[in-house]
Amino acid sequence: RKEVEQDPGPFNVPEGATVAFNCTYSNSASQSFFWYRQDCRKEPKLLMSVYSSGNEDGRFTAQLNRASQYISLLIRDSKLSDSATYLCVVNVNQFYFGTGTSLTVIP
Amino acid sequence: DAGITQSPRHKVTETGTPVTLRCHQTENHRYMYWYRQDPGHGLRLIHYSYGVKDTDKGEVSDGYSVSRSKTEDFLLTLESATSSQTSVYFCAISEYISGVNEQFFGPGTRLTVL
Repeated sequence: RKEVEQDPGPFNVPEGATVAFNCTYSNSASQSFFWYRQDCRKEPKLLMSVYSSGNEDGRFTAQLNRASQYISLLIRDSKLSDSATYLCVVNVNQFYFGTGTSLTVIP
Repeated sequence: DAGITQSPRHKVTETGTPVTLRCHQTENHRYMYWYRQDPGHGLRLIHYSYGVKDTDKGEVSDGYSVSRSKTEDFLLTLESATSSQTSVYFCAISEYISGVNEQFFGPGTRLTVL
């Protein structure tokens, strides 16, 4: 069983739409949680850490549900520049990466 | 910017040849990592280092070795490259920010083994 699982998508949404990604993790001892963004042929870049109480950074909101072992990312008012692959990452002694969810925002 | 560079950025080599990839960081981070990224897989850990001369294996370490003789450099060696090692290789560092251990990546090396 994979440590981290994500819906690969692709998600194709119009500009201005709200889109949500979910991710599940298998190890209940997981300590910290992240969303990374990866543009085509580039390195992953940290988008935001995910805290137990949930956290928001501008148009991005991340939630953690420890009981159900899932993490979510909500993007409001999607921009063309949000088109990328979003990686869910969990840290339990080492960092485990999901395969990513592809998002394309359409004009 | 975590001050991580990788070299070379692109390499094409032939099966059976040795290949060394270099990761260089400028901010004195203790922990460094090598990952590979392939379609259908998340980033997978090859080896990591927790200090000079201190290294350990990750989940896909077979066929790879590493060395860290200086804090700033972490080398990944493919002793005898195989086509299954064609991949994108990312180096990373980690640091604690506000009590959370976060990872930051270098730009990657695209390796093709013919």
